[in-house]
Amino acid sequence: DAGVTQSPTHLIKTRGQQVTLRCSPKSGHDTVSWYQQALGQGPQFIFQYYEEEERQRGNFPDRFSGHQFPNYSSELNVNALLLGDSALYLCASQPQGVGNTIYFGEGSWLTVV
Amino acid sequence: DAKTTQPPSMDCAEGRAANLPCNHSTISGNEYVYWYRQIHSQGPQYIIHGLKNNETNEMASLIITEDRKSSTLILPHATLRDTAVYYCIVRVDNTNAGKSTFGDGTTLTVKP
Repeated sequence: DAGVTQSPTHLIKTRGQQVTLRCSPKSGHDTVSWYQQALGQGPQFIFQYYEEEERQRGNFPDRFSGHQFPNYSSELNVNALLLGDSALYLCASQPQGVGNTIYFGEGSWLTVV
Repeated sequence: DAKTTQPPSMDCAEGRAANLPCNHSTISGNEYVYWYRQIHSQGPQYIIHGLKNNETNEMASLIITEDRKSSTLILPHATLRDTAVYYCIVRVDNTNAGKSTFGDGTTLTVKP
């Protein structure tokens, strides 16, 4: 049973460009959340998707947007990249319901130069 | 979600128990305590969670105080592979509980 998978694992972008990161949730999971983790800090919640809609959002600007597909996979898009967007981007999935554990992928390392 | 406070770093001798504390004095009655760990450059790994009672699984034990304002994660026989950043988070465990608020965690170093 594959866990949460993310792609790409590493990428380098130039300031001002746009990036799309992808996530496939663990089998049986229908809820996907995205986190940003800067070096030396804990993960920060960006947003959560369920039933193809954004359900919760953290304190991130509109440059950060996402999408969930009918197969529950998800994309994170970041427009107008800034140097400060350089971070590890983590995808987490869980099934809906009480008492369900969140599982994280290995992340996508984004470097903005 | 309630805020948690953890010591920034701890050391432990290999084979000994590692006891990692966490304060969550503003925890609400419907918030669970979760522990994750993150080994360098990998995604966070779930360890254990609990509401009021102490919990144990194959990885660790979780001791929650009676007033629920603090908890301790216990790794009974630490190995070098347990060296990681350990995060204690509290969150409401309902159908929209995707949001987890992480602090900076405790860096545990297991020494031979």
